[in-house]
Amino acid sequence: DGGITQSPKYLFRKEGQNVTLSCEQNLNHDAMYWYRQDPGQGLRLIYYSQIVNDFQKGDIAEGYSVSREKKESFPLTVTSAQKNPTAFYLCASTYNRDTEAFFGQGTRLTVV
Amino acid sequence: KQEVTQIPAALSVPEGENLVLNCSFTDSAIYNLQWFRQDPGKGLTSLLLIQSSQREQTSGRLNASLDKSSGRSTLYIAASQPGDSATYLCAVSGSGNTPLVFGKGTRLSVIA
Repeated sequence: DGGITQSPKYLFRKEGQNVTLSCEQNLNHDAMYWYRQDPGQGLRLIYYSQIVNDFQKGDIAEGYSVSREKKESFPLTVTSAQKNPTAFYLCASTYNRDTEAFFGQGTRLTVV
Repeated sequence: KQEVTQIPAALSVPEGENLVLNCSFTDSAIYNLQWFRQDPGKGLTSLLLIQSSQREQTSGRLNASLDKSSGRSTLYIAASQPGDSATYLCAVSGSGNTPLVFGKGTRLSVIA
């Protein structure tokens, strides 16, 4: 079945650590996105990529980094520069602007 | 900058009732609007996609309307069921292939 897979489902980070969240899709979608969701908040855009080897910052990119070396994969690294990383992270993809967005099941990151 | 507002933030209704969720956006120059459902701790599931040239879309008991000129959309749920309990999010994409901008959602509880 086609879809988006995020891993891990739960992730714990110590202070000062970098961690990487995985997002893989087998939908042949060109565009991929990372959003952050906090309690009582809507989804806020971190980074997006519309094509391989290209990506753009979203509204809250500071403290995060991404890569898009393959069409299927768009990993997100949460660096030690992100001061408040505890949140629910969602990855999404779209085929083009006329089609619906598909989301993964999310990764819940907690700082310990 | 596009802003999306959803009212009410939470809604509780008895089973069988028809209900309307509201979404408004500040910039009417949108490309499309999507309604999503999110269950607790899960990713988003696309319910309906309305292109800017369309007035409404229907899927089963769900009907979404779009009035682009006034910056409003509604999601109508007929004959609500306990299984409809979830958070419903509205999102718009602008011209220039910009990513989706989300509202904070409406948390719906359908009481049996």
